[in-house]
Amino acid sequence: GNSVTQMEGPVTLSEEAFLTINCTYTATGYPSLFWYVQYPGEGLQLLLKATKADDKGSNKGFEATYRKETTSFHLEKGSVQVSDSAVYFCALSVLNDMRFGAGTRLTVKP
Amino acid sequence: DAGITQSPRHKVTETGTPVTLRCHQTENHRYMYWYRQDPGHGLRLIHYSYGVKDTDKGEVSDGYSVSRSKTEDFLLTLESATSSQTSVYFCAISEPRGADTQYFGPGTRLTVL
Repeated sequence: GNSVTQMEGPVTLSEEAFLTINCTYTATGYPSLFWYVQYPGEGLQLLLKATKADDKGSNKGFEATYRKETTSFHLEKGSVQVSDSAVYFCALSVLNDMRFGAGTRLTVKP
Repeated sequence: DAGITQSPRHKVTETGTPVTLRCHQTENHRYMYWYRQDPGHGLRLIHYSYGVKDTDKGEVSDGYSVSRSKTEDFLLTLESATSSQTSVYFCAISEPRGADTQYFGPGTRLTVL
């Protein structure tokens, strides 16, 4: 079946540190891949997405590259800010089936 | 931001009582979804709708029913709430290709005592 596995948190970083959150997936067919972000008390917001192999999604300094050979879609940011503190979800969508990872809580300290 | 509202935003109820959560959209999107969010599980799909009166089950549909009589409204009903249904419930919408990019409402926190 379709599934997403992402690194467990919580992750705590200092401001301006480099961020990586790992995400791997299992899917039948050709999934689209997503990163969503959830701020406290809010719903999920789309952060970025990629729809085919080797595509790079990017937004607000975050990037992720669709790697079919390693079935991965790792989220990266070169310099995190306190305002990036949130829960991040990796997700896939294929044939009307959307699956989410368990979420990774990121805390950025000043 | 997509025009999605959920009501109520918070609810406390007792085991065995019926509960209905409402999702309302102003985007005229065809697809609507109900998810529950629990620690360690991310989001899991309960039911979804692909048009008025057209619905289907998701991964965790037992104990839940849905209805969609108008494009803009998608109702989730717990016929007899149980403590295991204590969760945060999110509605989402998408267009045009079903489960492509989804836009989420603010959530409803439900506590079943």
